[in-house]
Amino acid sequence: SAVISQKPSRDICQRGTSLTIQCQVDSQVTMMFWYRQQPGQSLTLIATANQGSEATYESGFVIDKFPISRPNLTFSTLTVSNLSPEDSSIYLCSVAGQGTTEAFFGQGTRLTVV
Amino acid sequence: GENVEQHPSTLSVQEGDSAVIKCTYSDSASNYFPWYKQELGKRPQLIIDIRSNVGEKKDQRIAVTLNKTAKHFSLHITETQPEDSAVYFCAASRGGNFGNEKLTFGTGTRLTIIP
Repeated sequence: SAVISQKPSRDICQRGTSLTIQCQVDSQVTMMFWYRQQPGQSLTLIATANQGSEATYESGFVIDKFPISRPNLTFSTLTVSNLSPEDSSIYLCSVAGQGTTEAFFGQGTRLTVV
Repeated sequence: GENVEQHPSTLSVQEGDSAVIKCTYSDSASNYFPWYKQELGKRPQLIIDIRSNVGEKKDQRIAVTLNKTAKHFSLHITETQPEDSAVYFCAASRGGNFGNEKLTFGTGTRLTIIP
């Protein structure tokens, strides 16, 4: 299994500002995944973060809006930049457990932009 | 890329009855199909998964079936209980080693168990 500590759990931000979300994993993992879950919707992959290289972004998501850092094998951050009300959502990080394809999720960050 | 469709979007069943949720996928290279349960305000949690070399897998009241030819897989919950009420997501990926492949999620099914 994998235990993921994600913070903050929630935040209310002014439009035009940025929010950085942190994920800490209790074991070394190759890939970390960042998802967005809009209210009442499914999970949409934003990007895949591999340590030591640029993150790979999915269609519709760009680095300028969602910069990601992956400084080591247990930690990653996602920044949501230049916030607008449309960015109000839950953001989740995810990793696979050791020796398994089972995905584990952080508890999520509920972002509200006002 | 992969596209996963899920039906129905909402499902209400009487307690004790069975519930079935269906998904289809588009990428013939997908070989790993997990199902996640998400309770209100909580993170998604894996309830069962299946690989493409297996047609069916069962874990107590939960079973998953896979039809590779039709690119179709289903979740079956028998003897439903109130605590089964949640949103269920299917997903697909190319599997790979140690979870290095991304998951594509279905749109979700809100299951309500009526006491």
